[in-house]
Amino acid sequence: AQSVTQPDIHITVSEGASLELRCNYSYGATPYLFWYVQSPGQGLQLLLKYFSGDTLVQGIKGFEAEFKRSQSSFNLRKPSVHWSDAAEYFCAVGAGGYQKVTFGIGTKLQVIP
Amino acid sequence: DAGVIQSPRHEVTEMGQEVTLRCKPISGHNSLFWYRQTMMRGLELLIYFNNNVPIDDSGMPEDRFSAKMPNASFSTLKIQPSEPRDSAVYFCASSFRNTGELFFGEGSRLTVL
Repeated sequence: AQSVTQPDIHITVSEGASLELRCNYSYGATPYLFWYVQSPGQGLQLLLKYFSGDTLVQGIKGFEAEFKRSQSSFNLRKPSVHWSDAAEYFCAVGAGGYQKVTFGIGTKLQVIP
Repeated sequence: DAGVIQSPRHEVTEMGQEVTLRCKPISGHNSLFWYRQTMMRGLELLIYFNNNVPIDDSGMPEDRFSAKMPNASFSTLKIQPSEPRDSAVYFCASSFRNTGELFFGEGSRLTVL
C-alpha cells in the first residue's frame, strides 16, 4: 500500500522568503503525485500534479515541485512567499487502477510580516 | 461550472442519532471519494466509487458507516447510530477518468454531542 510522509507539521516563514515543503512517498511503481492546498474552512484545491515526463512541474500560484525518484521525494517550492499563501498543504500519492489517493498529514504554513 | 456540492455544511446531532451526508459530484466525473478529516488522523479515505460501484471500502471505520451511490450524480454517507468520536469534517471529492486528480467539496462539519 502507498503512503506519504510530510515531516514538518508546522512551518513559519517571513513574507518574501523562499519556501520548501518536504514530502516523501512510498509506492512500488511510478506514482502519480499531487500537492493540494487547504484554506481554513475550505475544501482542498489542487496546486500541481506529476504523472510522467519532466520531473519539475509548475503549478498555480507560483508553486513548483520536483519529483526525485532516487529519494522518493516530491518537495514543493516557492521562491517568494506571500501572506495569502498561509494555509495547510497536503502531499498525496495516487496509485492503483482506480487511482486511490492517499494524503499526507499536512504541513501548516504560517507567514509572518 | 458547479463544483462538488455537499450538504449539509454543518450538522450538530446527539449521540445515537442517524446522520446522512450528501454529495453531488461534478457532472461527467466517474469516480467519487469520501474522506474524513480530523486533527489527530488527518485525511482518511473512507470509500471510493468508480462508475457508481464501490471499489474499496476498507477505510470505513465500522458497520455504523455505510455509503451509497445510486446514480452518477448523487452519493450519501450514512452513520447510524452516531457517536461523539465521529465528529469530523467529511469531504466528498470526484475525479474524471481515474486520473487521481480530485475535486473537493467544501465539506460537511459533523458534531456529535
